[in-house]
Amino acid sequence: SYVLTQPPSVSVASGKTARVTCGGNNLESKTVHWIQVRPGQAPVVVISHDRDRPSEIPARFSGFNSGNTATLTISSVEAGDEATYFCQVWDTSGDHYVFGPGTKVTVL
Amino acid sequence: QGQLVQSGGEVKKPGASVRVSCKGSGYTFASFGISWVRLAPGRGLEWLGWISAYNGNTEYSQKVQDRVTLTTEKSTGTAYMELRSLTSDDTALYFCARESLTRPGVDYFDVWGQGTMLTVSS
Repeated sequence: SYVLTQPPSVSVASGKTARVTCGGNNLESKTVHWIQVRPGQAPVVVISHDRDRPSEIPARFSGFNSGNTATLTISSVEAGDEATYFCQVWDTSGDHYVFGPGTKVTVL
Repeated sequence: QGQLVQSGGEVKKPGASVRVSCKGSGYTFASFGISWVRLAPGRGLEWLGWISAYNGNTEYSQKVQDRVTLTTEKSTGTAYMELRSLTSDDTALYFCARESLTRPGVDYFDVWGQGTMLTVSS
């Protein structure tokens, strides 16, 4: 079964840039989506298809996928960006979705 | 854009079954599929399965395929998830999410329900 890895936590000062990584074997051959989960709120996809940003998501969010690592970048971080971020792919060998373990982003 | 509204929280005893509903509005229900995902403390997100709202085709996670059944009711624009033989490991927040009509894995989850908390406890 395909496995995705993420750092458990990332801390960033308000106004700075946060980078959340997602690792997997030959990850660039897969399509990565990034999901933001805040307590008490419905999840939201902030980046789809490696680097596309849904229209309602601020331009501060960007994504990139190359080699074995996909990266979610949040520029000019705000307090409202504090959440857990999960990467997601479709595993064609197992015919199921795989999620990373999640990275809690804390804004200092 | 669309909206998905789920049924309220549930408390069940081990061995029982639960059915969670997910009602779509603001879009053509039968033009999309619905995936079900759960979020458990300390265990992250887990995909349970997908159903086409057009023809009822399904795909299930191997982990729960023997215990879960997904259905839809086109007349009311509602999707249902039934989970049987519940254990404490099923305690989680359950979400429905809109995605591809034809098969899972083609597109992303662009609309999510608000979540339904299931607690399994004796």
